[in-house]
Amino acid sequence: KQEVTQIPAALSVPEGENLVLNCSFTDSAIYNLQWFRQDPGKGLTSLLLIQSSQREQTSGRLNASLDKSSGRSTLYIAASQPGDSATYLCAGNYGGSQGNLIFGKGTKLSVKP
Amino acid sequence: NAGVTQTPKFQVLKTGQSMTLQCAQDMNHNSMYWYRQDPGMGLRLIYYSASEGTTDKGEVPNGYNVSRLNKREFSLRLESAAPSQTSVYFCASSEGPTGRAYGYTFGSGTRLTVV
Repeated sequence: KQEVTQIPAALSVPEGENLVLNCSFTDSAIYNLQWFRQDPGKGLTSLLLIQSSQREQTSGRLNASLDKSSGRSTLYIAASQPGDSATYLCAGNYGGSQGNLIFGKGTKLSVKP
Repeated sequence: NAGVTQTPKFQVLKTGQSMTLQCAQDMNHNSMYWYRQDPGMGLRLIYYSASEGTTDKGEVPNGYNVSRLNKREFSLRLESAAPSQTSVYFCASSEGPTGRAYGYTFGSGTRLTVV
C-alpha cells in the first residue's frame, strides 16, 4: 500500500532558524512529489513540485529535495519567519488513470518571534 | 487568475438534507478531483474526473455523487447528508490525469457541518 508519512507532526522553532521538514514514502515508483502549505481554515497552496527525474527544486527561501531510492523528501526553510507558521503537507503522485495524490498528514510549524 | 473556485465556503445542513458543492477552474485543466479533509485522517479522494465526460470513484465515495458538467465545472452532491460527512471539502484540478508536469491546484475549501 502506498503511504506517505511526515515526521514530526508538529515543530516549534525561534525566528531566524533554518529548518528541515521530512516526508517519507513507501513506494519509490513515484511520478512526482508536491509540497503544499495550508494556513488555518484555508486551502492548500502549492509550494514546490519535484519530478521523479529531479533531485531538488528551489523557490526563494524554500528548497525541496527528492531521493527516490531512500523514499524520502525534505523541505528546507532558510531563515524562518513567523509568517512561515502553517501546516506543511507533502503528497506523492503515483500517476495511473486515477492520478491520485497520496498525502501525508502534515507537519504543523510554529515560528516564534 | 482565479484558479479553482469553490462555493459555498461554509454550510450547515440538517441530517437528511441534500446539497451540491460547486467547483470551477479556469486553467483549462483536463482532470478534476474532490477530496475531504478530516482531523487525523488527512486528505482522502472522494471522486475524480480524468477528463470531461468521465468520473470515477476514489477512496471514500459512499454517500456522494458527482457531475462533470463541462471541462470547467465539477460538482459534488450529497443526497442525504449524515453527521459523518461533516468535513472540509476541497476541489482540485490538474492538467492531466497524472498531474505530471504541473501538479495539482486546490480550491480554498467548503466547510460543511451536518447536525
